[in-house]
Amino acid sequence: LAKTTQPISMDSYEGQEVNITCSHNNIATNDYITWYQQFPSQGPRFIIQGYKTKVTNEVASLFIPADRKSSTLSLPRVSLSDTAVYYCLGDLRAGNNRKLIWGLGTSLAVNP
Amino acid sequence: NAGVTQTPKFQVLKTGQSMTLQCAQDMNHNSMYWYRQDPGMGLRLIYYSASEGTTDKGEVPNGYNVSRLNKREFSLRLESAAPSQTSVYFCASSVGEGGNEQFFGPGTRLTVL
Repeated sequence: LAKTTQPISMDSYEGQEVNITCSHNNIATNDYITWYQQFPSQGPRFIIQGYKTKVTNEVASLFIPADRKSSTLSLPRVSLSDTAVYYCLGDLRAGNNRKLIWGLGTSLAVNP
Repeated sequence: NAGVTQTPKFQVLKTGQSMTLQCAQDMNHNSMYWYRQDPGMGLRLIYYSASEGTTDKGEVPNGYNVSRLNKREFSLRLESAAPSQTSVYFCASSVGEGGNEQFFGPGTRLTVL
């Protein structure tokens, strides 16, 4: 059974780099790994997505090792506005069935 | 371009009442989703619609029904509400399946007494 596991909470300070790791057992070779950010009373918002190796966009980087059993979201130089909950999502396709396996979220607190 | 809209924003029901949560998107997306979010449980998929005319069960479909009315609209119905269905409900849409970015609505906060 595919499952995603991530730390419940993390603390950081402004200007630091933050790395959040998600473990996804049994993820299939054709699955994407996606990360979302959620602020209180809002819906989640897409941050970054990857399939393997490294992906970088204007807000984050995503590292996926060759065995694809984990992924690491990297937020460079965080600010107070990055305080939010971060979710990893495994998008599993099995025949005609689709399973969206969300992690329980990592609550990131950025301190001044 | 409003993105994904949901109505109502808040709702209080009594046990046994029925209601329909409405969702619409104006991005011409093919796929739409309904999630519930409970404290400590993350997001759980209730139903999704890969394309107009199709719907499929997600992780927690019991007690819910859905209708993909057209490409824009995807509604979620609670036929006989139960306290266990107290939650925040999110609708989302994406261009298609297979890892496409999902765009979320603002959510509906439902309380069942």
